[in-house]
Amino acid sequence: EAGVAQSPRYKIIEKRQSVAFWCNPISGHATLYWYQQILGQGPKLLIQFQNNGVVDDSQLPKDRFSAERLKGVDSTLKIQPAKLEDSAVYLCASSLPGQRNTEAFFGQGTRLTVV
Amino acid sequence: GDSVTQMEGPVTLSEEAFLTINCTYTATGYPSLFWYVQYPGEGLQLLLKATKADDKGSNKGFEATYRKETTSFHLEKGSVQVSDSAVYFCALSGSGGYQKVTFGTGTKLQVIP
Repeated sequence: EAGVAQSPRYKIIEKRQSVAFWCNPISGHATLYWYQQILGQGPKLLIQFQNNGVVDDSQLPKDRFSAERLKGVDSTLKIQPAKLEDSAVYLCASSLPGQRNTEAFFGQGTRLTVV
Repeated sequence: GDSVTQMEGPVTLSEEAFLTINCTYTATGYPSLFWYVQYPGEGLQLLLKATKADDKGSNKGFEATYRKETTSFHLEKGSVQVSDSAVYFCALSGSGGYQKVTFGTGTKLQVIP
């Protein structure tokens, strides 16, 4: 079974530039998450989708971050414009919906460095 | 809101030593509890889980028991190996019936030969 695929693995941009990350979840997983993991901290949920609808985006900085999940499969996360404090690993995860004890499967993440 | 607190690292142990990483949580209702592990250069993967009070999750020699009375889910292993060197994250999900996963800050474990 293929895992959660993310690209790119690494990205370096200058502040005020824009960047986009892509995620392809495990086939059949209706729930998709984007997490931000700053060095030395635990992952923080940015946005959660159920199919193509947003379930939780309470911690997403909406003035600069946006995410979409067209057709309820792939997802993209965009930052525009980037700030230095956005340097982090961006993790995508997916899970089967509806079960509170369902395991979330994570991709390897995209390491973003803003200079 | 929900939160997870785990002991700060790094933790350095000699091979075959006993490991305990403490984890306590604050949540609404009856969440499920997880330990995730992140090996160097790899993504997060589930190590073990427990879904109700007094459940014990176990995997690869690691164990953790869901203690509702102390709101804790401490990770233990009787004899660590060099290959266990990684960052360990305690997490919860399903608080208030919601599927969102909330993570602790992680504890780095280094096992030396």
